[in-house]
Amino acid sequence: DQQVKQNSPSLSVQEGRISILNCDYTNSMFDYFLWYKKYPAEGPTFLISISSIKDKNEDGRFTVFLNKSAKHLSLHIVPSQPGDSAVYFCAARNFNKFYFGSGTKLNVKP
Amino acid sequence: DSGVTQTPKHLITATGQRVTLRCSPRSGDLSVYWYQQSLDQGLQFLIQYYNGEERAKGNILERFSAQQFPDLHSELNLSSLELGDSALYFCASSALRTSGGNEQFFGPGTRLTVL
Repeated sequence: DQQVKQNSPSLSVQEGRISILNCDYTNSMFDYFLWYKKYPAEGPTFLISISSIKDKNEDGRFTVFLNKSAKHLSLHIVPSQPGDSAVYFCAARNFNKFYFGSGTKLNVKP
Repeated sequence: DSGVTQTPKHLITATGQRVTLRCSPRSGDLSVYWYQQSLDQGLQFLIQYYNGEERAKGNILERFSAQQFPDLHSELNLSSLELGDSALYFCASSALRTSGGNEQFFGPGTRLTVL
């Protein structure tokens, strides 16, 4: 069962513009949501997170939005930079178990 | 470099065989998590150990088992291998018993190919 879904396998954005990555989930018991970034031949690295009691969290160029009624999570990157090109995974936590989406490959063009 | 090491980097084996993947957590981290990433799939949480004891279990097959040793390194044992077990296996470590996820540091993964 795929409780966390990323329906866009890829996204291409021009440098300096906004990147918006989306994630949908089905389990209303998730209490914590995260975004990870992954470069080839490396493990995922944590990017930003949000508690289920919040609707927005910001860290520099990265902002995560949570819409609980829609069970939807999004990551905004502004402005996008070529170094942001990577695969982005969203993840959700329920009782110390983590559920990941299938990832969105972001390509930021110079 | 996350400080988490995984060996081997690549493993090629045949169906029906058994393999062991090894993970050394960051110095001082007591928790180890194992994940499986199949082709074009997200990471599937398999199992977590904390200070030698099983703490949380995900969708881990009965053919798979794991343990964490007194020196805190962990091994994931995969037996009776099938073609569908071909995947990237990640280990992550955390200092905490219960992780928010933001404290998990991932290793580079072991790529298993079953022929």
